[in-house]
Amino acid sequence: GQNIDQPTEMTATEGAIVQINCTYQTSGFNGLFWYQQHAGEAPTFLSYNVLDGLEEKGRFSSFLSRSKGYSYLLLKELQMKDSASYLCAVLSYMEYGNKLVFGAGTILRVKS
Amino acid sequence: DARVTQTPRHKVTEMGQEVTMRCQPILGHNTVFWYRQTMMQGLELLAYFRNRAPLDDSGMPKDRFSAEMPDATLATLKIQPSEPRDSAVYFCASGRDDNQPQHFGDGTRLSIL
Repeated sequence: GQNIDQPTEMTATEGAIVQINCTYQTSGFNGLFWYQQHAGEAPTFLSYNVLDGLEEKGRFSSFLSRSKGYSYLLLKELQMKDSASYLCAVLSYMEYGNKLVFGAGTILRVKS
Repeated sequence: DARVTQTPRHKVTEMGQEVTMRCQPILGHNTVFWYRQTMMQGLELLAYFRNRAPLDDSGMPKDRFSAEMPDATLATLKIQPSEPRDSAVYFCASGRDDNQPQHFGDGTRLSIL
């Protein structure tokens, strides 16, 4: 089976930096995705890591350590619009292909 | 920008009624996914198609749920008979392949009374 853990909620201040952690246990690991979901809307793709290291995309960066089963999403220069749920999702290889399993999500509240 | 299109956006019906949700994946995407999202369970995979063939429906209650892809431009998810516990947001997503980012539709907000 798979197990994905991420904090339920976080609060940060506008302009600050916040790091959202995700730990996972799975067999057949084949990559890790981060999605953003605003309340009442659909999830949207943020980043994808399959190799160890940091992937940077503007204000957002994502890090992966496969040996530790650990990833984080780093958000810099926080804006009010960054208030959303952030979903960590683990891709695992199955006999028919790949399966994506989502964590419960971390609700980030950005305050002024 | 190409988008996944889902209909209806909202559905309210009484228990026992049949519910059909439709999805038009992004042209050129060969993988289609159905998810259900609730506060308690989060985002759960119900069904997965590649090139219109069903590959994984292990997350779907088989007795009342069915998923099909009659053609490359249409995926359907049916519930018959519906029950109050089926109330949730149902998302369809598509991707170029199953190791590529999935693009989600706006979802169908289903309420079973």
